[in-house]
Amino acid sequence: GAVVSQHPSWVICKSGTSVKIECRSLDFQATTMFWYRQFPKQSLMLMATSNEGSKATYEQGVEKDKFLINHASLTLSTLTVTSAHPEDSSFYICSARAGPGTDTQYFGPGTRLTVL
Amino acid sequence: AQSVTQPDIHITVSEGASLELRCNYSYGATPYLFWYVQSPGQGLQLLLKYFSGDTLVQGIKGFEAEFKRSQSSFNLRKPSVHWSDAAEYFCAAGTGGGNKLTFGTGTQLKVEL
Repeated sequence: GAVVSQHPSWVICKSGTSVKIECRSLDFQATTMFWYRQFPKQSLMLMATSNEGSKATYEQGVEKDKFLINHASLTLSTLTVTSAHPEDSSFYICSARAGPGTDTQYFGPGTRLTVL
Repeated sequence: AQSVTQPDIHITVSEGASLELRCNYSYGATPYLFWYVQSPGQGLQLLLKYFSGDTLVQGIKGFEAEFKRSQSSFNLRKPSVHWSDAAEYFCAAGTGGGNKLTFGTGTQLKVEL
């Protein structure tokens, strides 16, 4: 149990276009999802916390107008990178937890974004 | 500020040898502590976690970790490493297991046959 999927697993896009990444909890309802970004050979950096039905909370330095997060249902959160540029190329990973007080996050397999 | 430090960027061990990966944390209180493993191009898999109680925790794949409050450490160990253990290992901490996590910079483990 506790499987989190991401789609797509990789995407290549042109500079200036927008890309949507989906994060789904397959066998549990996720009241909270987290979006992380990982640069090559670096650690994961939290971008934002997404709560179902409310606005996402962004970490300092993350542009909320550039990285749009929607958590419209208990099993789906989306991250849209708007007007992507080459510096947005990265590995994006989501995680999900079942509810307040639950003690574990489950991570998705990640999405590799390459902006040309 | 909250932080997690993994002093070793790279570690190479021979297959069958023992392994210890170091992790130190700096938090206002005892945090929830985790070890994750990441294979190339993959997401993170939880190896083990510590919230409270017994300071020696057992995880999957034969890994264990020991919480030492006096040293603010949570080192990961395995008595005998297998070639399939080669991967990146991340230590993470949070104020609650389901809350946002602070990750260390990771340790890349290479296993020599």
